[in-house]
Amino acid sequence: ETGVTQSPTHLIKTRGQQVTLRCSSQSGHNTVSWYQQALGQGPQFIFQYYREEENGRGNFPPRFSGLQFPNYSSELNVNALELDDSALYLCASNDRGQEQYFGPGTRLTVT
Amino acid sequence: LAKTTQPISMDSYEGQEVNITCSHNNIATNDYITWYQQFPSQGPRFIIQGYKTKVTNEVASLFIPADRKSSTLSLPRVSLSDTAVYYCLVGTYNTDKLIFGTGTRLQVFP
Repeated sequence: ETGVTQSPTHLIKTRGQQVTLRCSSQSGHNTVSWYQQALGQGPQFIFQYYREEENGRGNFPPRFSGLQFPNYSSELNVNALELDDSALYLCASNDRGQEQYFGPGTRLTVT
Repeated sequence: LAKTTQPISMDSYEGQEVNITCSHNNIATNDYITWYQQFPSQGPRFIIQGYKTKVTNEVASLFIPADRKSSTLSLPRVSLSDTAVYYCLVGTYNTDKLIFGTGTRLQVFP
């Protein structure tokens, strides 16, 4: 176990809705990254937050947004859900520049 | 960023040594090679990282030839619990933006 927790474990939403996923970093980590993993694919980098500021973004549209809080926990928000957003969403935390530790993920299903 | 190519899947039996090779022809001078393991419905887990020659830890060995255009992850005496997807990543040391490919699905049989 890495000490990174995510909630909820599973979630079912309808197309067009909005969703918020949460991540609690491992103690002492100041950086959080979010990844999307579609079935049968490797994780794809969404964005990263370092000390509450966005610190890099992958090829995802603006309807994917995030927050990092003073305690370094984080949220991933997705607006106007599409069927293709169905995936496992992974959060990883680290002390910047060090090894990333992944949480178990949130399985999002969009119907 | 250097792209990696791995076999899609591999089968093995308990007790055997498994070698998974990754090709990264465009690796840059500053790039390291890192391997992750992922079990179903879990996040990836760091296995090993190296720059050149050979690196060994309690879990695996990583062999990197002099030209660094490929690398081989070696798992000694696999068990059923080693059944997982293994990802080879190339990037600067402990880069914050991990680029995963599709990985190699290893199935270990009894």
